[in-house]
Amino acid sequence: SQKIEQNSEALNIQEGKTATLTCNYTNYSPAYLQWYRQDPGRGPVFLLLIRENEKEKRKERLKVTFDTTLKQSLFHITASQPADSATYLCAPGRVGGYNKLIFGAGTRLAVHP
Amino acid sequence: DAGVTQSPTHLIKTRGQQVTLRCSPKSGHDTVSWYQQALGQGPQFIFQYYEEEERQRGNFPDRFSGHQFPNYSSELNVNALLLGDSALYLCASSWDRGDSPLHFGNGTRLTVT
Repeated sequence: SQKIEQNSEALNIQEGKTATLTCNYTNYSPAYLQWYRQDPGRGPVFLLLIRENEKEKRKERLKVTFDTTLKQSLFHITASQPADSATYLCAPGRVGGYNKLIFGAGTRLAVHP
Repeated sequence: DAGVTQSPTHLIKTRGQQVTLRCSPKSGHDTVSWYQQALGQGPQFIFQYYEEEERQRGNFPDRFSGHQFPNYSSELNVNALLLGDSALYLCASSWDRGDSPLHFGNGTRLTVT
C-alpha cells in the first residue's frame, strides 16, 4: 500500500539556520507533491507545489526539491525564525486523482531564538 | 473573501450517537474533501464531493456519510459513534483541477465519551 514517511522526531534548530525536512514515499508514483504548514488547533495551510518534471521550486525563504528516482522530497526553510515553528505536512498527488491527497504524519519544527 | 468555514468548532458526543458537521467552501471552489486527523497524525482522507456526488472515498466505514448541496456547502455525518472517532475533522475545498491546492478550514474537534 502507499506509504508516506516524514521525520517522526521533532526537528529543533537555532534561529537563522536552515531547516531541512524530508518526505519519502513508497508504492506510489506521484505527478506532483504539495507541502502544507499546520499550526496547533488550525487547519493545514498550503505552501508550495512541485511537479515531477521540476527539480526545485522556491518561494521566498522556502525551497522544495523532488527526486522521483529516490522517491523523496526535501523542504528547506532558510534563515529560519521562531515564527516558522509548526508542523509541516507533505502530500503527494496523482494526475487523474481528483486531487485526493494522502498526507504524511508531518514533522514538527521548533526554531529556538 | 471568506475562506473555508466549519461548524461547530467543538463537539462532545456519547458513544452510539450520531453527529453532523458542516462546511462552507471558499468562494469559487466547487470541490469539498473531508479529512479526519487524530492527535499526532496527518489528515486521513474520508471522501470527496463534486457536483453533489461522492466522487472518491477513503478507507472509512459506511457509518461515515456526506452530502454536498447546490451551493457547494457540505455535511459530514457519522452514525453509531465510537470512542475511536474522536478526532479533528477537517474540511478542505478546491477547484476541480487535479493539482489544485486544498484550502482547509480550522476543523471541528469531536470528542466521543
